[in-house]
Amino acid sequence: EAGVTQFPSHSVIEKGQTVTLRCDPISGHDNLYWYRRVMGKEIKFLLHFVKESKQDESGMPNNRFLAERTGGTYSTLKVQPAELEDSGVYFCASSQGRAPYNEQFFGPGTRLTVL
Amino acid sequence: AQKVTQAQTEISVVEKEDVTLDCVYETRDTTYYLFWYKQPPSGELVFLIRRNSFDEQNEISGRYSWNFQKSTSSFNFTITASQVVDSAVYFCALTLDRGSTLGRLYFGRGTQLTVWP
Repeated sequence: EAGVTQFPSHSVIEKGQTVTLRCDPISGHDNLYWYRRVMGKEIKFLLHFVKESKQDESGMPNNRFLAERTGGTYSTLKVQPAELEDSGVYFCASSQGRAPYNEQFFGPGTRLTVL
Repeated sequence: AQKVTQAQTEISVVEKEDVTLDCVYETRDTTYYLFWYKQPPSGELVFLIRRNSFDEQNEISGRYSWNFQKSTSSFNFTITASQVVDSAVYFCALTLDRGSTLGRLYFGRGTQLTVWP
């Protein structure tokens, strides 16, 4: 069974540009989570989808970040316009049922560098 | 507010040594879950263990063991007879059993463990 996949693995952009990160959860997993780790700091929650609905988006830092999950399958996280402080590793996770009763499976992350 | 503290940023040991990774958490909720994840060089976080707040029984899985103590709000992780393959970043995390934030993980900053041959 394929795990959680994320694309791209790395992205280097200039301040002011737009970047879109993609996450493909494990097939059949209704719950999808986005997290971010800024260098040397803790991994922080961004938002949680249940199917195509945003269950909790309280961790989104500001309105430059837009997450979507069309059809309840893959998800995208768009940053527009990107700022220097957006640099970090963006992780996606999925679970079949609601966590914490069900394990969250994490992808390898997308490393975003904003110059 | 919830907080997880991993005071050890980096630990280096020589193979076959035992090593303990510390985790201290803060929450006012009475029902919560604690986790440990391993992040190998490939990048993904690998689930190691989940423990709920009502189960203080220590757990052993092969060379891994976990010591949960509510009295000190700690959930420490010990690797016995460490091996080079244990080298990774280890994260401790907390989640609440509360509807609005169910599933949201609060992570510590991680501990980089390096095991030398």
